[in-house]
Amino acid sequence: GENVEQHPSTLSVQEGDSAVIKCTYSDSASNYFPWYKQELGKGPQLIIDIRSNVGEKKDQRIAVTLNKTAKHFSLHITETQPEDSAVYFCAASRGNQGGKLIFGQGTELSVKP
Amino acid sequence: GAGVSQSPRYKVAKRGQDVALRCDPISGHVSLFWYQQALGQGPEFLTYFQNEAQLDKSGLPSDRFFAERPEGSVSTLKIQRTQQEDSAVYLCASSLLGQGETQYFGPGTRLLVL
Repeated sequence: GENVEQHPSTLSVQEGDSAVIKCTYSDSASNYFPWYKQELGKGPQLIIDIRSNVGEKKDQRIAVTLNKTAKHFSLHITETQPEDSAVYFCAASRGNQGGKLIFGQGTELSVKP
Repeated sequence: GAGVSQSPRYKVAKRGQDVALRCDPISGHVSLFWYQQALGQGPEFLTYFQNEAQLDKSGLPSDRFFAERPEGSVSTLKIQRTQQEDSAVYLCASSLLGQGETQYFGPGTRLLVL
């Protein structure tokens, strides 16, 4: 079945360093890949997304890369700040089925001041 | 404008009780999704509505779970005869159209079954 694997499960960095989170997906029909940030007691919030016709997308300190051949996609956060500390989820969806999201297991990012 | 809202935010139920969880999507959003998030895990898809039509309920874990969206706006997820394994956060999301569109999540309802 459809599956998304996410690594690492926890990541601790010093403020100002970069953080990288990687995901792989199994369904070759997936064509939409969002990343969500979830803070304690809140719902997931979209931070960036990428579609299969693009290899890379950047928004200020956040970038996402997609390798469709290898079925890998990654989140890169540069110049990390303490407020970046949260759980990050990658997800994948097909163009049909209403776009239901298949989520990874999450990465708990801790940015130490 | 207002985001997705859910109520109640917290619910404690005794095993065997029925519960109803409400979701108010963003006004005008056609698609509505329910997800279940166990502690320390990613959200898992339960069901999907396009307007009032339930087009996919493949993720509902058992026939004790039932969802409806009768007027194509507010949705209710009902769990009958709750069991301890139903304890989780139930998340609702809406999107303008659905396929490949941004899904906006509500804060979730945390359900604890004792």
